Amino acid sequence: AQTVTQSQPEMSVQEAETVTLSCTYDTSENNYYLFWYKQPPSRQMILVIRQEAYKQQNATENRFSVNFQKAAKSFSLKISDSQLGDTAMYFCAFRTNAGKSTFGDGTTLTVKP
Amino acid sequence: EADIYQTPRYLVIGTGKKITLECSQTMGHDKMYWYQQDPGMELHLIHYSYGVNSTEKGDLSSESTVSRIRTEHFPLTLESARPSHTSQYLCASSETGGYNEQFFGPGTRLTVL
Repeated sequence: AQTVTQSQPEMSVQEAETVTLSCTYDTSENNYYLFWYKQPPSRQMILVIRQEAYKQQNATENRFSVNFQKAAKSFSLKISDSQLGDTAMYFCAFRTNAGKSTFGDGTTLTVKP
Repeated sequence: EADIYQTPRYLVIGTGKKITLECSQTMGHDKMYWYQQDPGMELHLIHYSYGVNSTEKGDLSSESTVSRIRTEHFPLTLESARPSHTSQYLCASSETGGYNEQFFGPGTRLTVL
């Protein structure tokens, strides 16, 4: 069974600054996928970024990037130039090749003006 | 936004009532999921389906039941609602394969008095 740990229940950052959200996981599988999802207040959960475990290159989507360390089983999310709209709960998720997902407990991020 | 819908969005109901939470998606996804999430808390998988006539219980034990008669429809039923069922229920769907992200509905916030 997989486990996903997000050790930061809450974080805050000033607008325009950079913040990093931590995520570690445990698995015995070699092929898998990692995701970060964003759940804004009272809005639908949406995908932020994904990473294939077999790819060494870290994924990047505009202001969002990951630091994927496969050996350390670490998958942190960096948000650059934080915006007020980034305020949300962020979930790290592990997904097997068969499509079974395990979510972390979430990190509530507040971007302050 | 994703083409996945949940109704009702909010439901307040008395103890002992039977309720059905509706979830529909128009993306043709084989996989569908139900999660239970208390406000600001982690997601708990309660049911999933890998296709028509396939349903499985998730990681969190739930008194609810589900059915999957059509690809696009995955309703969740509580035969006798109790205050302990008060929570938010999120429906999600995805294509087959670990690479594919889950698309989430807006959720149903259930309150049982």
